[in-house]
Amino acid sequence: NAGVMQNPRHLVRRRGQEARLRCSPMKGHSHVYWYRQLPEEGLKFMVYLQKENIIDESGMPKERFSAEFPKEGPSILRIQQVVRGDSAAYFCASSQLAGTYNEQFFGPGTRLTVL
Amino acid sequence: QQPVQSPQAVILREGEDAVINCSSSKALYSVHWYRQKHGEAPVFLMILLKGGEQKGHEKISASFNEKKQQSSLYLTASQLSYSGTYFCGTENFDGGSQGNLIFGKGTKLSVKP
Repeated sequence: NAGVMQNPRHLVRRRGQEARLRCSPMKGHSHVYWYRQLPEEGLKFMVYLQKENIIDESGMPKERFSAEFPKEGPSILRIQQVVRGDSAAYFCASSQLAGTYNEQFFGPGTRLTVL
Repeated sequence: QQPVQSPQAVILREGEDAVINCSSSKALYSVHWYRQKHGEAPVFLMILLKGGEQKGHEKISASFNEKKQQSSLYLTASQLSYSGTYFCGTENFDGGSQGNLIFGKGTKLSVKP
């Protein structure tokens, strides 16, 4: 059983470019969560999606960031016009069911570096 | 709103015990515990729910004090493999959708031989 897949594992962008991060949930999971982690910091919730729906985007910056989880294909976190402060590790997690009692399985993360 | 973890770091010898605490200023619905090794993904350890339900590994225990709005993770007879950073993620009653976890800054545990 493949776990949560994320790609790329490492991404380098120059200021002003776009970054696209992909997340394929575990087989049978239809709930995806994106988190951002700065060095020596905890995981900060960004957005929670189900297939074709954004359920909670309360942690997403209002500008430049967007996320989607189409009917077919991986979930995408898109960062437009990246700035140095966007450099971080971005993790996605998936769960089988909605709600609290279902553990989230994390992917290996994408480490974004903005030059 | 971010839960506070203590201690920030702890160093143990193999076989020693440790307790990691997680406190929130808001009423908690659930607490999730994860361990993350450097450069790797967080790995699920345990969920504790308001009302006393638990779900997790047999060799790791934890408590959830609803009145004090805190949870403690108990690591007994530590092994080298326990080393890593432990995060608690809390779900508050007013924390948005279910599953929206707010994580603490982590407790770094180092187990020495």
